[in-house]
Amino acid sequence: DGGITQSPKYLFRKEGQNVTLSCEQNLNHDAMYWYRQDPGQGLRLIYYSQIVNDFQKGDIAEGYSVSREKKESFPLTVTSAQKNPTAFYLCASSKNVRSQGTDTQYFGPGTRLTVL
Amino acid sequence: AQSVSQHNHHVILSEAASLELGCNYSYGGTVNLFWYVQYPGQHLQLLLKYFSGDPLVKGIKGFEAEFIKSKFSFNLRKPSVQWSDTAEYFCAVINSGNTPLVFGKGTRLSVIA
Repeated sequence: DGGITQSPKYLFRKEGQNVTLSCEQNLNHDAMYWYRQDPGQGLRLIYYSQIVNDFQKGDIAEGYSVSREKKESFPLTVTSAQKNPTAFYLCASSKNVRSQGTDTQYFGPGTRLTVL
Repeated sequence: AQSVSQHNHHVILSEAASLELGCNYSYGGTVNLFWYVQYPGQHLQLLLKYFSGDPLVKGIKGFEAEFIKSKFSFNLRKPSVQWSDTAEYFCAVINSGNTPLVFGKGTRLSVIA
């Protein structure tokens, strides 16, 4: 771990509002990932990015959007279209997707989003 | 699509008991396998990983895992658990292609004194 920061730790929003979660890494990693963690569901991939200005949908991308304008940053926006947004969101990075079989994937501390 | 199954949702053990957490995956090709651990209030961190070679892999804190290709399994073991092993454990798999990790649903381990 280490080298990945997510802010804030806890976030509360009203239903219908978009919210953006921050993820920054100083590990000089090319690849970054967003996961959602729900009790009993494990980690489910939302989006990932292999390089700046490029990203791909994961298994549960609906209702989310991302951008990758800088190598260090991969913000996630939870839009009002996401039907069940309350969850724990984890950001991760690795050297690159192609070599992630040999490179460790490092995780941030997570953001717990609660939509009221 | 590949998937990962962790058979136990919640395991409760007394200190000094032996641990084995099951993990099976569905992908038939070449895979790399991981166990991650999430201690209460802490980051998800790598426990151990298998890429090739000796199918018995040693990790941190006395954990080990054995890759049995014929059974598509990568079970995690520890001979004697401690209270500090209380955590959630995730098995993850990646195939040799250019795709991200796939995680299992996790197993919560509670170790009681």
